[in-house]
Amino acid sequence: SQQGEEDPQALSIQEGENATMNCSYKTSINNLQWYRQNSGRGLVHLILIRSNEREKHSGRLRVTLDTSKKSSSLLITASRAADTASYFCAEGGGATNKLIFGTGTLLAVQP
Amino acid sequence: GAVVSQHPSRVICKSGTSVKIECRSLDFQATTMFWYRQFPKKSLMLMATSNEGSKATYEQGVEKDKFLINHASLTLSTLTVTSAHPEDSSFYICSARTGGAGTEAFFGQGTRLTVV
Repeated sequence: SQQGEEDPQALSIQEGENATMNCSYKTSINNLQWYRQNSGRGLVHLILIRSNEREKHSGRLRVTLDTSKKSSSLLITASRAADTASYFCAEGGGATNKLIFGTGTLLAVQP
Repeated sequence: GAVVSQHPSRVICKSGTSVKIECRSLDFQATTMFWYRQFPKKSLMLMATSNEGSKATYEQGVEKDKFLINHASLTLSTLTVTSAHPEDSSFYICSARTGGAGTEAFFGQGTRLTVV
């Protein structure tokens, strides 16, 4: 399969709690990207971390990258009900120049 | 951010007919566009990479004669599902890059295709 895997597949938390999603990828990346998808909609780009970066922040989002383990994590702090969505990591660049998506995590934030 | 417009958002067609889906980059030129297919509660599966002015590159297992992709200009790519069957029913999403591999991709709103 071309896809990486995300863990957990589904996550349910209370508003105000932090949510952590993990991504294992397969290729030698140029970058690792995280996207959000509301049900039945297109994807929204959240953050891009390059292969030579280890950590990146954007608002309530924190992404880490460990290229030795081919893994990345997305942390959403102080979650809100509006954060309820599916979150996907995507392997960017590398030899193929493609954007390959992981299996995704369905996050539900209970108000 | 850059805007990618995908049309139609929903389409219902009869078995055996063809359906065309358009993907336009509204405020940037996209030398490369990507077409994905998504099954319910599943991830996006890359179908093909569309390069302006050349033939699309299809992923393994994707029938190029069934899923015709045309990238006639720097702002428009089309996916035509030919001789549609019910098993082609799915959510199709296009995306476009503003630059090379190190740049983010922007996505269309997706097209829900139902073949009856």
